[in-house]
Amino acid sequence: DAKTTQPPSMDCAEGRAANLPCNHSTISGNEYVYWYRQIHSQGPQYIIHGLKNNETNEMASLIITEDRKSSTLILPHATLRDTAVYYCIVRVQGGKLIFGQGTELSVKP
Amino acid sequence: SAVISQKPSRDICQRGTSLTIQCQVDSQVTMMFWYRQQPGQSLTLIATANQGSEATYESGFVIDKFPISRPNLTFSTLTVSNMSPEDSSIYLCSVREGQFYGYTFGSGTRLTVV
Repeated sequence: DAKTTQPPSMDCAEGRAANLPCNHSTISGNEYVYWYRQIHSQGPQYIIHGLKNNETNEMASLIITEDRKSSTLILPHATLRDTAVYYCIVRVQGGKLIFGQGTELSVKP
Repeated sequence: SAVISQKPSRDICQRGTSLTIQCQVDSQVTMMFWYRQQPGQSLTLIATANQGSEATYESGFVIDKFPISRPNLTFSTLTVSNMSPEDSSIYLCSVREGQFYGYTFGSGTRLTVV
């Protein structure tokens, strides 16, 4: 079973920051948090991942709480092309990614 | 990151038949996985394809229905056997590379069973 819980949908205005929350209260100490997104009819696209520290790359920032029970993905300046389903995933034993239901983000003009 | 070629990209099959999906990677990878995505749903892990040995299946998936091969570090196949309309889904291959701890996904095979 998936270890993550996300809101089913969110809206964001174009040009504003999109903050996508994720709960993973049963995460173990050595399990990483991954974020992927899936644009309709395509394979999931890697965004970012982290263990304990906050991470940033050219696409997004990942903020993980100190107790690691939740995290937030931040898209700093959302565009219409960021409209997609965003998956927060905990990598479990065996190196497997078990997907939850994801958040459908709609970026509106 | 690795580039995945998944074939076929889509197919329409008759019930009772089988379809083999191929996943070719342009570099050697440590791990390969197969997922199913039913219409309007999230991805469900079917199995981990192990090089040179039997795949490791997730709960609810069995080898007789979804036989998997992985003869080397760059190639794997998934067969969907004795298909029924309930098998209509997108099937995706995913790989994990050694030095990059992200996972790359193929573009998927869209299967329709009639």
